[in-house]
Amino acid sequence: KNEVEQSPQNLTAQEGEFITINCSYSVGISALHWLQQHPGGGIVSLFMLSSGKKKHGRLIATINIQEKHSSLHITASHPRDSAVYICAVGTKQGAQKLVFGQGTRLTINP
Amino acid sequence: ETGVTQSPTHLIKTRGQQVTLRCSSQSGHNTVSWYQQALGQGPQFIFQYYREEENGRGNFPPRFSGLQFPNYSSELNVNALELDDSALYLCASSRAGGSGETQYFGPGTRLLVL
Repeated sequence: KNEVEQSPQNLTAQEGEFITINCSYSVGISALHWLQQHPGGGIVSLFMLSSGKKKHGRLIATINIQEKHSSLHITASHPRDSAVYICAVGTKQGAQKLVFGQGTRLTINP
Repeated sequence: ETGVTQSPTHLIKTRGQQVTLRCSSQSGHNTVSWYQQALGQGPQFIFQYYREEENGRGNFPPRFSGLQFPNYSSELNVNALELDDSALYLCASSRAGGSGETQYFGPGTRLLVL
């Protein structure tokens, strides 16, 4: 079992829909990161959170430390939101590193 | 503020060769982390350099080595290349070491080993 699991792996929706991507992890963490990767490889950090909820524009990230679960929500989705969304956790034990999920490929159709 | 840059953008090598990839960190950042991303997979942590010292390493063999320079730029060296080393190599810089800092990623170097 991977230390970080994301669901769904692929998601296709229509413009305007509310999107939810889930992330579960099994290790102790210092922080959880949500990242966006566009075709061609560039990765942008969207959020880093260790508790509660953060909002930036149409993006909302939440984390439940007790349940070891985080969600990324996109409101009023737009075709330009199409990308791979990656959840990564910063580990507390041993080498302090980021452990990444497999990513969720999101496609928003106009 | 200058972003993270990587060079080269693309590289083709043959098995057994050696390669050096370069990363310039964002200004004000003293930490660089390197990741390998195989096609269709999430990135895997290779190692992190903090103030010129290795500050954590993932499950990669010793033929993967690195350096960080006084200006905090960094190199990733891979010896005795194997076909499975074909991947996108990403570096990311941050203000401090560890795993609890926001990381700023470079555009990556795409390596193909034939």
